[in-house]
Amino acid sequence: ELKVEQNPLFLSMQEGKNYTIYCNYSTTSDRLYWYRQDPGKSLESLFVLLSNGAVKQEGRLMASLDTKARLSTLHITAAVHDLSATYFCAPQGAQKLVFGQGTRLTINP
Amino acid sequence: DTAVSQTPKYLVTQMGNDKSIKCEQNLGHDTMYWYKQDSKKFLKIMFSYNNKELIINETVPNRFSPKSPDKAHLNLHINSLELGDSAVYFCASSTRTSGPPSSYNEQFFGPGTRLTVL
Repeated sequence: ELKVEQNPLFLSMQEGKNYTIYCNYSTTSDRLYWYRQDPGKSLESLFVLLSNGAVKQEGRLMASLDTKARLSTLHITAAVHDLSATYFCAPQGAQKLVFGQGTRLTINP
Repeated sequence: DTAVSQTPKYLVTQMGNDKSIKCEQNLGHDTMYWYKQDSKKFLKIMFSYNNKELIINETVPNRFSPKSPDKAHLNLHINSLELGDSAVYFCASSTRTSGPPSSYNEQFFGPGTRLTVL
């Protein structure tokens, strides 16, 4: 059964700094999604990564996938306050997405 | 032009009651899902339907019964509500990919229904 582990679970950082969220998963998956959730809101899709070595970038966020290591990363560059949210990775399992525990990111001025 | 909608947004009820949550999507997707998000933000799939056929039924108490009258709707009925059912329930929809049959495209989530059982 596919298991997913994100770390860190909580991250408090200052504006302007860089940081990386890690997503490890236990079995082969043919795609992996990253989602964002603002407090009290729904989930919004950020990226889908489809192959080994895939890299996607949108603004200050960059996601990558290493299928051999079963690892995806979400890198935040020069963080700004409006990136504060909870970020979930979700590799595709058998007929379903399996979500990580989420990383609650707080960016302080 | 809401893509995935749920009603109600909030639901407060007493233990033992029966309640329903409705979900509709206007994206033309063929697959719909119910997820439960607990107080620690952990998100777990409960059910999925593809073209009105039940595909996934996770280890969910049989007090929970999904119903898909057509591809655009997936409702969730809960009998004999318990305190532990308090959570946010999200509906989502997607399409299958053109690749492996068990693979799906991006899921679009509804706004969520916050259920509080007293």
